[in-house]
Amino acid sequence: EAGVTQFPSHSVIEKGQTVTLRCDPISGHDNLYWYRRVMGKEIKFLLHFVKESKQDESGMPNNRFLAERTGGTYSTLKVQPAELEDSGVYFCASSPWTDLNNEQFFGPGTRLTVL
Amino acid sequence: GNSVTQMEGPVTLSEEAFLTINCTYTATGYPSLFWYVQYPGEGLQLLLKATKADDKGSNKGFEATYRKETTSFHLEKGSVQVSDSAVYFCALSDQGGYQKVTFGTGTKLQVIP
Repeated sequence: EAGVTQFPSHSVIEKGQTVTLRCDPISGHDNLYWYRRVMGKEIKFLLHFVKESKQDESGMPNNRFLAERTGGTYSTLKVQPAELEDSGVYFCASSPWTDLNNEQFFGPGTRLTVL
Repeated sequence: GNSVTQMEGPVTLSEEAFLTINCTYTATGYPSLFWYVQYPGEGLQLLLKATKADDKGSNKGFEATYRKETTSFHLEKGSVQVSDSAVYFCALSDQGGYQKVTFGTGTKLQVIP
């Protein structure tokens, strides 16, 4: 079974440009999460989808970030316009819809560098 | 809110040395506790977990015990290998299969031959 995949693995853009990150969760997983780790700091929660609906977006830093999950499958995270402080590694995770299993399965991350 | 505090790295050990990475947490209720590992060039992987007090999670020779009285979940391994070199993250989530995970800052471990 394929794991969580993310694209691209690396992205280098200039301040003010737009970048779109993509996450493909494990097939059949209704829950999809985005996290971010800025340099040397903790990994922080951004938001959580259940199928195509945003369940919790309390971690989104500001309105330059837009996440979508059309059709409840893959998700995109767009940063527009990008700022220097947006640099970091963006992780996606997915999990099945269950109360019994707390495990989230993480992707390899997208390293975003804003110059 | 929930928070996780883990020892800062980097930690450098010789092969076969004993490893302890301290982790303490703050949470309401009874969270689930995790250790995640990120090997160089790879994504986060769940290393072990514990879901209730006094549970011991174990995997690949690593162990951690859920200590509610000290709100701790320290990671230990009796004899580290070069292949254990990675970044280790302590984490928690509230009970329930769809709760967000709160992470510590990560501890980089380097094992030298």
